[in-house]
Amino acid sequence: QVHLVESGGGVVQPGKSLRVSCAASGFIFSSYGMHWVRQAPGKGLEWLGVISFDGNNKYYADSVKGRFTFSRDNSKNTLYLEMDSLRAEDTAVYYCAKDTYSSSWSPGYWGQGTLVTVSS
Amino acid sequence: EVVLTQSPATLSLSPGERATLSCRTSQSVTSNFAYLAWYQQKPGQAPRLLIYDASTRATGIPARFSGSGSGTDFTLTISSLEPEDFAVYYCQQRYNWPPLITFGQGTRLEIK
Repeated sequence: QVHLVESGGGVVQPGKSLRVSCAASGFIFSSYGMHWVRQAPGKGLEWLGVISFDGNNKYYADSVKGRFTFSRDNSKNTLYLEMDSLRAEDTAVYYCAKDTYSSSWSPGYWGQGTLVTVSS
Repeated sequence: EVVLTQSPATLSLSPGERATLSCRTSQSVTSNFAYLAWYQQKPGQAPRLLIYDASTRATGIPARFSGSGSGTDFTLTISSLEPEDFAVYYCQQRYNWPPLITFGQGTRLEIK
């Protein structure tokens, strides 16, 4: 049973940084690409990017390229999202998601999300 | 930029009725746009994968959900609505390489 648990959300001031984590269990974490997707309050889904199974390849949406960084620690079954220079428009629920199947490069199974609020 | 347009924005139906949700992509799903998926999202919950590869049901998804389509036009059909089916539905496409993902704006399925 795939289980993904995001943590690290909270209230952060504009311009500051925050790291969100995603703990994985129930599958072979080191075999799957992982995605980050966010959803602003009352809005639709926005894909942020993907990191390959081994962490060697990362693809970012233009909206976060240069400010957000993905990483993973396969020994800890944990995915990370480092967010820099945060803006009010980054306020959202942040979800991690596992590839639907190996090398699908598409998010299939999602965690419950963690809320990040950027506000002074 | 790939744009996914879902219609209708809101669909009002009764339990037991058939629901047909549409997703139109701005570029054809060919070898360069190799993946089309559908999700269901209820308030306060994460999206749940229903369909991937346009027509394959995800694990544990009831048979009343089906996906079809090709090229630029795709459909999610719910054959007979159950009370728990009323939610927001999103389609999603993946560009083959680089693997950039786009979501539609969603269709809200509400009880009539």
